[in-house]
Order: sequence, then structure tokens, then C-alpha cells
Amino acid sequence: GAGVSQSPRYKVAKRGQDVALRCDPISGHVSLFWYQQALGQGPEFLTYFQNEAQLDKSGLPSDRFFAERPEGSVSTLKIQRTQQEDSAVYLCASSFTSEDSEQFFGPGTRLTVL
Amino acid sequence: AQSVAQPEDQVNVAEGNPLTVKCTYSVSGNPYLFWYVQYPNRGLQFLLKYITGDNLVKGSYGFEAEFNKSQTSFHLKKPSALVSDSALYFCAVRDPYGNNRLAFGKGNQVVVIP
Repeated sequence: GAGVSQSPRYKVAKRGQDVALRCDPISGHVSLFWYQQALGQGPEFLTYFQNEAQLDKSGLPSDRFFAERPEGSVSTLKIQRTQQEDSAVYLCASSFTSEDSEQFFGPGTRLTVL
Repeated sequence: AQSVAQPEDQVNVAEGNPLTVKCTYSVSGNPYLFWYVQYPNRGLQFLLKYITGDNLVKGSYGFEAEFNKSQTSFHLKKPSALVSDSALYFCAVRDPYGNNRLAFGKGNQVVVIP
């Protein structure tokens, strides 16, 4: 595809529900990142994959957050037992493997927890 | 840990006037620096990056940025602003000796007045 795609674009969940957010990176991009962007703030790092390996998950705010990329392409961010403070835009980005490569971002999924 | 400061919340500029968006950074070692722009309900779009070499970096849509190591700054500039430049601008830094995560500033809203 032409860019990073994410689905759904909008998700409304009741507190306590589980949600799954999908990211399709640019074809050929080895690295994949998830960020959380609260209203009026810059994106905050959540986790990073190189191919199927999750190399850094230090930004995940709690054990309710889980990410996977089993075949090294599509990634899913899962949030269990959602809380109101989870309401945010979740951004996915991908890049080539070289360390000076810029990251290309998807449009994001706006999650609202009621 | 790396961090970025964008001291102004909003920058107002008249169309045709020079535009400057300020960014200072903190990182151990030599930084990798990036500027992104975000339009409403869209993901971040890459504008330009500094990795090494010339301190003046040219990017997309007529934007440029100047890396100043002594002042730890990476200000974004455009000689003549357009109304269509009105958007949210984010500065980001990556520690080349750390992991691949980007640390973003809180963003600057730019308003170009016709």
C-alpha cells in the first residue's frame, strides 16, 4: 500500500471491555512502533518491533496493554479491561531498518472509553 | 533519557511573513532530530530530519531547520508562510545510542493569518 493504515479509525468502548487495534505497515518496513497521543499532547512511545520480535515494550502503561506482530508485518495492539484514562489516539508508525530512517505514521485510531 | 521542549503553545504569523517554530532538545550523544506536521484527524507527516552533516536541513513544502549544537536547538523555519501551513508541528529526538523510540515535544499550533 501507499502508506501505513490503521483500523478502526474510531472505537468507542465501555469501561471494562477489551479492544484490538490493527496496524498495516508500509510493505518492506522492518521496524514498527506504537505511540499513544493524549488530547493536546505529543505522541508517547509504547512499544517497538523489529520484524516479529518485540524489542522494547517499556512504554506500555500497564499489563492490560499487549502488542503482537506474529508474522513480521501486521501488528495488533490489544487493551484489556479498558479504563477511561486509556482514551487517546493510538498511532502506528513503520520505518526501514537503518537507524537514521524516519518513521512513517498511520492516521491513528481514536479510542474513547465511556 | 532524551527529551524535547517546544516552549510556545501557539505561533501566529501573517501570510507571507517568515515562520519560526522553536525546539530545544536534551539527549546523550549526538542527536537524530525530526520535524513532523499534523493536520486535523490525520497522522503525522514527516517534514525533515537532521542526522549529521550540514547544520541547515531542507525539507518538504519549503520548510527548513537549523541544527545548533551549542544551543541544543533545532528550530523549524519557512521564509514565507502560507495559510495552508496552519497545523500542529511536532519536534522529535532520537538517541542514536539508545533504542529506536522517538521522544516528541508537546507540539506547536501554527496559525497563519490571511
